[in-house]
Amino acid sequence: DTGVSQDPRHKITKRGQNVTFRCDPISEHNRLYWYRQTLGQGPEFLTYFQNEAQLEKSRLLSDRFSAERPKGSFSTLEIQRTEQGDSAMYLCASSLARWYEQYFGPGTRLTVT
Amino acid sequence: GQQLNQSPQSMFIQEGEDVSMNCTSSSIFNTWLWYKQDPGEGPVLLIALYKAGELTSNGRLTAQFGITRKDSFLNISASIPSDVGIYFCAGQPNYGGSQGNLIFGKGTKLSVKP
Repeated sequence: DTGVSQDPRHKITKRGQNVTFRCDPISEHNRLYWYRQTLGQGPEFLTYFQNEAQLEKSRLLSDRFSAERPKGSFSTLEIQRTEQGDSAMYLCASSLARWYEQYFGPGTRLTVT
Repeated sequence: GQQLNQSPQSMFIQEGEDVSMNCTSSSIFNTWLWYKQDPGEGPVLLIALYKAGELTSNGRLTAQFGITRKDSFLNISASIPSDVGIYFCAGQPNYGGSQGNLIFGKGTKLSVKP
């Protein structure tokens, strides 16, 4: 049984560039979540999917952010025109029947220079 | 927005000591969860609590869902060095219809006593 995987683990980019992260949830988990975590804070919810449908988006998810889960399996999170304030750890989680029991991946650490 | 307050913010442990930490909210929560996060890794789910008054153990860890549904406690007995890390409480608030948005506290950082 493999856990949630995320790729890449680290990304350094220059301000203004676009970046894309990938998340592979635990097999058969129908719900997938994206969170953002900054230093000294707990994870903050960004968005979630049930199968391929994006059901909720946080106000933190500005129009520069877009997430997809095209076939209800893996998901991608894209940030366009990155800003220094986007520097954070981006965490993906998945769950099944008990949606609140969310299992997290190792995260993608984004640094915008 | 909704906030969870964790206490203490940080603490030092000596091997063998028992550790206690708590999490409070100004509003009612339906579910409480406790996670542990090591540096550079994602949070790992430790314990999930589903109803007021519930007491649940996972090895040396014991957590309780407060009777008022506005707080939760985590105890670690006989701590060992690998217990160091950041412990987060998280929960599902009673308001709204969201089934995706877990609210997290800011964490309690456990370190080893010098």
